[in-house]
Amino acid sequence: GESVGLHLPTLSVQEGDNSIINCAYSNSASDYFIWYKQESGKGPQFIIDIRSNMDKRQGQRVTVLLNKTVKHLSLQIAATQPGDSAVYFCAEISYNTDKLIFGTGTRLQVFP
Amino acid sequence: EPEVTQTPSHQVTQMGQEVILRCVPISNHLYFYWYRQILGQKVEFLVSFYNNEISEKSEIFDDQFSVERPDGSNFTLKIRSTKLEDSAMYFCASRVGYSNSPLHFGNGTRLTVT
Repeated sequence: GESVGLHLPTLSVQEGDNSIINCAYSNSASDYFIWYKQESGKGPQFIIDIRSNMDKRQGQRVTVLLNKTVKHLSLQIAATQPGDSAVYFCAEISYNTDKLIFGTGTRLQVFP
Repeated sequence: EPEVTQTPSHQVTQMGQEVILRCVPISNHLYFYWYRQILGQKVEFLVSFYNNEISEKSEIFDDQFSVERPDGSNFTLKIRSTKLEDSAMYFCASRVGYSNSPLHFGNGTRLTVT
């Protein structure tokens, strides 16, 4: 039978509301961060990135906030749509490695 | 928009057999990667590759694994003798530069070892 995977934190939001997905990272040497969206059966899809010398970056309907003091990253999605339903991963990399490390992921469910 | 392509989308093999997973990275990218994702779990780093050699690898990437860039467009992952626990989604990724450029992922190959 199927193996049981990790229990993903789930965020349920109503269509049109704003979503905030949070991520804690552990490596204080990490200096580049990326948010990915993964839909069922697909690979991680790049959403937005941020460098450690910034604390905020905005894209289309998305904003990433970085708090290096508490090693916290968040992804804000404005006016959430059904197509935003997916698993969202934060990922980090430090300048002296070539190894992007993924977090556990958060499942976003958008209901009408 | 250019994308990373992977073939096959699904590979079924018997335990002990060799498999080769194929990837065509984005054409102007210089850094290449393999990741895997066991069902329902997070995406795990396997190996990074630059200038025709491995730059980093994880503890998962043991002697049963190898990578190759046989020509200017393909990037392959070979598993020499598959085990049941190798069953997973395998994702190829590439990026244009070393620092501050995102990895772009393919849609993966689902490997099922029976």
